Amino acid sequence: GAVVSQHPSWVICKSGTSVKIECRSLDFQATTMFWYRQFPKQSLMLMATSNEGSKATYEQGVEKDKFLINHASLTLSTLTVTSAHPEDSSFYICSAQRLAGASYNEQFFGPGTRLTVL
Amino acid sequence: KQEVTQIPAALSVPEGENLVLNCSFTDSAIYNLQWFRQDPGKGLTSLLLIQSSQREQTSGRLNASLDKSSGRSTLYIAASQPGDSATYLCAVMVQGAQKLVFGQGTRLTINP
Repeated sequence: GAVVSQHPSWVICKSGTSVKIECRSLDFQATTMFWYRQFPKQSLMLMATSNEGSKATYEQGVEKDKFLINHASLTLSTLTVTSAHPEDSSFYICSAQRLAGASYNEQFFGPGTRLTVL
Repeated sequence: KQEVTQIPAALSVPEGENLVLNCSFTDSAIYNLQWFRQDPGKGLTSLLLIQSSQREQTSGRLNASLDKSSGRSTLYIAASQPGDSATYLCAVMVQGAQKLVFGQGTRLTINP
């Protein structure tokens, strides 16, 4: 149980285009999903916290108009990188937290999406 | 602001050795502490999660301890194998915000 998927696993796009990344909790409902970014040889940095049915909370320094987050259901959150530039190239990882029950405060991570902007 | 530090940044040992990875955090107000493994270019694999009320957790050859008052955790790996080579990340969940704060990781290499 507690499986999180991400789609796509990798994407290459041209500078100026927008890219959407999906994060799904496959076998549980998640009130909260989190989006992280990881640069090569660095650790994960939290970008934003996404709660179902409400606006996402962005970490300091993260542009909310550039990284659009939608959490439309208890099993799906999306991250859209708008007008992508080469500096947005990174590994994006999502995690999901259970609605309730055992391990309610544990985050379960997706496999990540590698974005390369040319 | 919670800060998590992992020492050493990199470690290379011969196969079969027992080893300890260290993690320290600055604020003891945490819900839990979690150890992850990350292979190159891959996502995170959760290894062990220790709730704030617990002192340790064990899974197979892995044992993680938590001393919340001193802000420290260790991950003990027994009888290391080449397949254990990966980056190990420590993360604490901050009380209230329920955010995970990650350390920079320890890059472990087990030599056959």
